[in-house]
Amino acid sequence: AQSVTQPDARVTVSEGASLQLRCKYSYSGTPYLFWYVQYPRQGLQLLLKYYSGDPVVQGVNGFEAEFIKSNSSFHLRKASVHWSDSAVYFCAVSPMSNYNVLYFGSGTKLTVEP
Amino acid sequence: AQTIHQWPVAEIKAVGSPLSLGCTIKGKSSPNLYWYWQATGGTLQQLFYSITVGQVESVVQLNLSASRPKDDQFILSTEKLLLSHSGFYLCAWSPEGLYSDYTFGSGTRLLVI
Repeated sequence: AQSVTQPDARVTVSEGASLQLRCKYSYSGTPYLFWYVQYPRQGLQLLLKYYSGDPVVQGVNGFEAEFIKSNSSFHLRKASVHWSDSAVYFCAVSPMSNYNVLYFGSGTKLTVEP
Repeated sequence: AQTIHQWPVAEIKAVGSPLSLGCTIKGKSSPNLYWYWQATGGTLQQLFYSITVGQVESVVQLNLSASRPKDDQFILSTEKLLLSHSGFYLCAWSPEGLYSDYTFGSGTRLLVI
C-alpha cells in the first residue's frame, strides 16, 4: 500500500533562513509527487509537482523540490523563508496506476519567526 | 475562468442527524471531482472521486456516501452523523487526463456534537 511520511510535525525557522521539509513515500513504482500548502482555515494550494524528467522541480514563491528515486524522497526546499511562508505543508503522492487518487502525508507545520 | 464553490461554509450538527455537503464547479465541462476529509489537526484522506456524471468511486468510505447528480455538482452525504465525522471537508476538481492539477475549494468545517 502507498504511504507518505513527513517525519517533522513542526518546524520553526528564522526569517531569511533556508528551509528543508522532508517527505518520503512508499510505492513500488515511480509515483506522481506533489507539495501543497494550506494556510489557516483555507483549502490547499499547489506549490509544485513532479511527473518525470529533471528531478529538481521549481514551484511558486521560490520553492523547489528534488526527487531522489534511490531514497524514495521528495524534499521541499527554499533558500530564504519569509514570515508569510508560515503554514502547513503537505506532501502527496498519486500512484501511476490510478492518478485519480492522492495520498497525503501528515503535514508539517512551518512557523517562520521574525 | 473556472470556479469551485463549496457549501455550506460551516455546520454544527447533532449525532445521528443527516448531512449533505455540496460542491459546484463552474466554467469547466466534464471535470474530475474529488472529496477529501481532514480531521482536526490531521492529514487529508481522500474519500471519493468521480470522472463522470452518475459514477462515483470510493477510496475511504467512513460511513459517508457521494453522488454526482450533474456534471458540475458533487454531493457528500450521510443519513446518520457520527462524532468522528467532525472535521474539514474539501472538494477538488481537475481536468481529465494525466498531469492535471487539482484545484481545491475553500472547504466546509463540520462539528458534530
